[in-house]
Amino acid sequence: AQTIHQWPVAEIKAVGSPLSLGCTIKGKSSPNLYWYWQATGGTLQQLFYSITVGQVESVVQLNLSASRPKDDQFILSTEKLLLSHSGFYLCAWSSDSATEVFFGKGTRLTVV
Amino acid sequence: SQLAEENPWALSVHEGESVTVNCSYKTSITALQWYRQKSGEGPAQLILIRSNEREKRNGRLRATLDTSSQSSSLSITATRCEDTAVYFCATDNNNRIFFGDGTQLVVKP
Repeated sequence: AQTIHQWPVAEIKAVGSPLSLGCTIKGKSSPNLYWYWQATGGTLQQLFYSITVGQVESVVQLNLSASRPKDDQFILSTEKLLLSHSGFYLCAWSSDSATEVFFGKGTRLTVV
Repeated sequence: SQLAEENPWALSVHEGESVTVNCSYKTSITALQWYRQKSGEGPAQLILIRSNEREKRNGRLRATLDTSSQSSSLSITATRCEDTAVYFCATDNNNRIFFGDGTQLVVKP
């Protein structure tokens, strides 16, 4: 069975500090990977997606970057956090057919 | 612009009542998906209805699909408090999945 693990579960960070969020998928070879962001009570905003190692497409510019260093790993990062980065970050995967997206449990980020 | 859009934006019902969420989409699809997101969790798929299907059921859930009007509906019968969540429809395009903004459903005791 496939599993998706996100870390950390929650973060409180200062404005201007760096950030790194991670996601690992086990049990699935060559998944499509996604990062989503949700403001509190807000919509699911797709940030990045990746169909293969080393290749990441940006969907929305939010002063964030993403990388896929391994087939099963997806990293979201920034060097300088903004207050507007606060929210709920979700990593997800799907197969090539994209008939279902499987989400991680998310990371709650609070920027102060 | 959004490839999928749910309406209404929010709904409130009492336990035991039935409720319907509607979805309109803008692309040709291979399938229309319905997801539910409970507070503090990631979304989870409820029903996938393929473009050659008109209706799909999953327990108390029933989804319909009308490709001619590019619309879908999700009905929940005998609602329970634990059905309180945000409900999203999602479409696939070029092997990517796009979500609408969601409908917030509150089920009151």
